[in-house]
Amino acid sequence: KQEVTQIPAALSVPEGENLVLNCSFTDSAIYNLQWFRQDPGKGLTSLLLIQSSQREQTSGRLNASLDKSSGRSTLYIAASQPGDSATYLCAVNKADSVNYGGSQGNLIFGKGTKLSVKP
Amino acid sequence: DTGVSQDPRHKITKRGQNVTFRCDPISEHNRLYWYRQTLGQGPEFLTYFQNEAQLEKSRLLSDRFSAERPKGSFSTLEIQRTEQGDSAMYLCASSSSRILGEQYFGPGTRLTVT
Repeated sequence: KQEVTQIPAALSVPEGENLVLNCSFTDSAIYNLQWFRQDPGKGLTSLLLIQSSQREQTSGRLNASLDKSSGRSTLYIAASQPGDSATYLCAVNKADSVNYGGSQGNLIFGKGTKLSVKP
Repeated sequence: DTGVSQDPRHKITKRGQNVTFRCDPISEHNRLYWYRQTLGQGPEFLTYFQNEAQLEKSRLLSDRFSAERPKGSFSTLEIQRTEQGDSAMYLCASSSSRILGEQYFGPGTRLTVT
């Protein structure tokens, strides 16, 4: 059974600091991995999607890496800002065991890392 | 394209009542998902449609829950005889099978059962 763990559960940093959020998963048979941001009481905003064949993806100040063999992904945030304060969730999309390479559809989420960036 | 929308955004109901939520996916997306999120937890998968076919259901989807996507466009999630344990955020997401599985989420429906 796939399990996703995110460490740390909460993180507080001063503005301007670079930081790394960690995500680990127990089954390396994944189709892709997605990082999301969630503001309190709101839905999820997709930040980055990494396919199982990729090693990393970048968007602005965000960089996500994937090491499928070790079951790990990291989200790197450069020059953090107070507006980055939110909960960050990672989710894996499991591979289709019948039609390998396709996606079964449902995402399996970690519990998230609550980030606070102080001015 | 206005993204995934959900209605209502908030629902307060008494235990034992039935509730129905609606999700409108991104128009060209053929896949639609329902998730449930409780406080301090990540979302948990409930069910998934490809076009109008319901292809997968989680064991979390008890007999009191039913979901439909009658014309392969919007979807409804109904909870019958609500219980206090049903209180949660219900999230809808959509994706295109042509765009390698990236899911886009709506704002969610916050259900409170009193």
